[in-house]
Amino acid sequence: GNSVTQMEGPVTLSEEAFLTINCTYTATGYPSLFWYVQYPGEGLQLLLKATKADDKGSNKGFEATYRKETTSFHLEKGSVQVSDSAVYFCALRPLQGAQKLVFGQGTRLTINP
Amino acid sequence: NAGVTQTPKFQVLKTGQSMTLQCAQDMNHNSMYWYRQDPGMGLRLIYYSASEGTTDKGEVPNGYNVSRLNKREFSLRLESAAPSQTSVYFCASSETGGRSDNEQFFGPGTRLTVL
Repeated sequence: GNSVTQMEGPVTLSEEAFLTINCTYTATGYPSLFWYVQYPGEGLQLLLKATKADDKGSNKGFEATYRKETTSFHLEKGSVQVSDSAVYFCALRPLQGAQKLVFGQGTRLTINP
Repeated sequence: NAGVTQTPKFQVLKTGQSMTLQCAQDMNHNSMYWYRQDPGMGLRLIYYSASEGTTDKGEVPNGYNVSRLNKREFSLRLESAAPSQTSVYFCASSETGGRSDNEQFFGPGTRLTVL
């Protein structure tokens, strides 16, 4: 079946540190991959996406590259800010079938000034 | 545009009570979804509706029913609430089409506690 595994949280970093949140997936074929972000008290928002192997999604300084050989979609940012504190979810949409998303468990990120 | 709206924001129920969570979107999307979010488990799909007039079970449908009232509205009903249904519930909507990367837009959530 389809599944997504994220690194365990919570993750605490200092401002301007480098961020990596690992995400690996299991799926048939070539799914689309997403990172969503949830700020405190809010719903999820799409952060970035990639639809085929070697695609790089980017937004707000965050990047993730679709790696088919390692079935991974790790989220990175070179210099985090306090405002990046949130919960980050990796997700996949299978190539076939309905428009359903399969989510990872989420990683809570806290950035200290 | 308001996007996806949900009511209520918070609710406390006693075991056995019933309630309906309301969701509406103003983006003219065909597809709508209900998820629950539990600590350490991410979001799990309860039910979805690919288009007006159709609904299908997701990963965790037991104890829930849904109604796609029209293109805008998609409600989730708990007929006899149980403590295991304590969770945060999110509604989402998206376009439907041949592309597999259509973004889902989420509402702000309903925090439900069942005592």
